[in-house]
Amino acid sequence: DIQVTQSPSSLSASVGDRVTITCRTSQSISDYLNWYQQTPGKAPKLLIYGASNLQSGVPSRFSGSGSETDFTLTISSLQPEDFATYYCQQTYDSYPFGQGTKVEI
Amino acid sequence: QVQLVQSGAEVKKPGASVKVSCKASENTFNTYYVHWVRQAPGQGLEWMGIINPSGETTNYAHKFQGRVTLTRDLSTTTVYMELSNLRFDDTAVYYCGRRMRGAPYDALDIWGQGTMVTVSS
Repeated sequence: DIQVTQSPSSLSASVGDRVTITCRTSQSISDYLNWYQQTPGKAPKLLIYGASNLQSGVPSRFSGSGSETDFTLTISSLQPEDFATYYCQQTYDSYPFGQGTKVEI
Repeated sequence: QVQLVQSGAEVKKPGASVKVSCKASENTFNTYYVHWVRQAPGQGLEWMGIINPSGETTNYAHKFQGRVTLTRDLSTTTVYMELSNLRFDDTAVYYCGRRMRGAPYDALDIWGQGTMVTVSS
């Protein structure tokens, strides 16, 4: 099975900060990597699919990059509504999620 | 936009089974693959399985094989997830999610609101 390692598990940031979250896989997955945002008590929301494609309706301050085994989600200027938990998901071999990154103040 | 509405919270005893439904507001739902994902309290997301549009093909995570069954009723645009032989650690929120079309990445673009399943003696 392909392992997915997401880091950090949590981070503290302020409004306006640039935030970067990393996802690493144990084998190459090309660009089969998606990113989700989840706020407490809510279902996850798709942000990025195929490593770098912004889902319709998602603000442009979110971006994704990477390929093969190393991927990054970047929030260019953190907004109050962005304080949430973020998950990556590889879909090359089965569909496991990363462990999550909680972005807090 | 299509909405996925899941059935209500359940409380079950260990060893019992639970069946959660996921109903769409549009008939086009019948042309989509559907994933199921769960989340234990305070924990991350865990993928469980996927069912194809006709309901004839399913794929389950190794961890759940033998205990989970996904089915769908095309006449009611409803997908079901049944988990058997429940254990305390099956206590979680269970989500259905629609696999997006137009790209080969199996992303879940629309999610149900979640169903809380509590396993308690």
